[in-house]
Amino acid sequence: DIQMTQSPSSLSASVGDRVTITCRASQFMSKFLNWYQQKPGQAPKLLIYAASNLQSGVPSRFSGSGAGTDFTLTISSLQPEDFATYYCQQSYSAPRTFGQGTKVEV
Amino acid sequence: QVQLVQSGSELKKPGASVKLSCKASGYTFTSYAINWVRQAPGQGLEWMGWIDTNTGDPSYAQGFTGRFVFSLDTSVSTAYLQISSLKAEDTAIYYCARLYSPGNPFDFWGQGSLVTVSS
Repeated sequence: DIQMTQSPSSLSASVGDRVTITCRASQFMSKFLNWYQQKPGQAPKLLIYAASNLQSGVPSRFSGSGAGTDFTLTISSLQPEDFATYYCQQSYSAPRTFGQGTKVEV
Repeated sequence: QVQLVQSGSELKKPGASVKLSCKASGYTFTSYAINWVRQAPGQGLEWMGWIDTNTGDPSYAQGFTGRFVFSLDTSVSTAYLQISSLKAEDTAIYYCARLYSPGNPFDFWGQGSLVTVSS
């Protein structure tokens, strides 16, 4: 199984900050990496797929990069509605493992 | 518009069974597989497996074999998750999510069904 390790587990930030979250895979997985946002009491929402493709309707302040084993989610200017937990997920092979999540707090 | 609407919260006693539903609308049901994801209270997301909506063939992740059963009723565009012999540790929110093909992301999710197992 591919293990996904996110860092940090949590971070404190302010509105307007640039935020970077990292996801590392235990083995090569090309660009089969997705990012989801989950707000309290809500289902996860797809933000980025295939490492760097912005899902329709997602603000352009979100971006993704990386390939192979190392991936990054960047929020260029944090907005109040961005305080949430973010998960990476690999879609390279089954089981489709998730990272443990990164909580972005005020 | 695409929607996955899940059944409501359930309160069950240990040893009981529960069957959750995930009704799809706004797209061709058999064009997308349905995946199931568990989230225990305060915890992260755990992939349980998926079901091929064309063949009805399920595939279960390790740890979700035996007591967990995925099924379909394509006539009403609905997927089901049945859990038997419930344990306290099955207390969680269960999400369904659609998947176009292997390698793709889960692009739409249901709102989740909370299952609470308590005596």
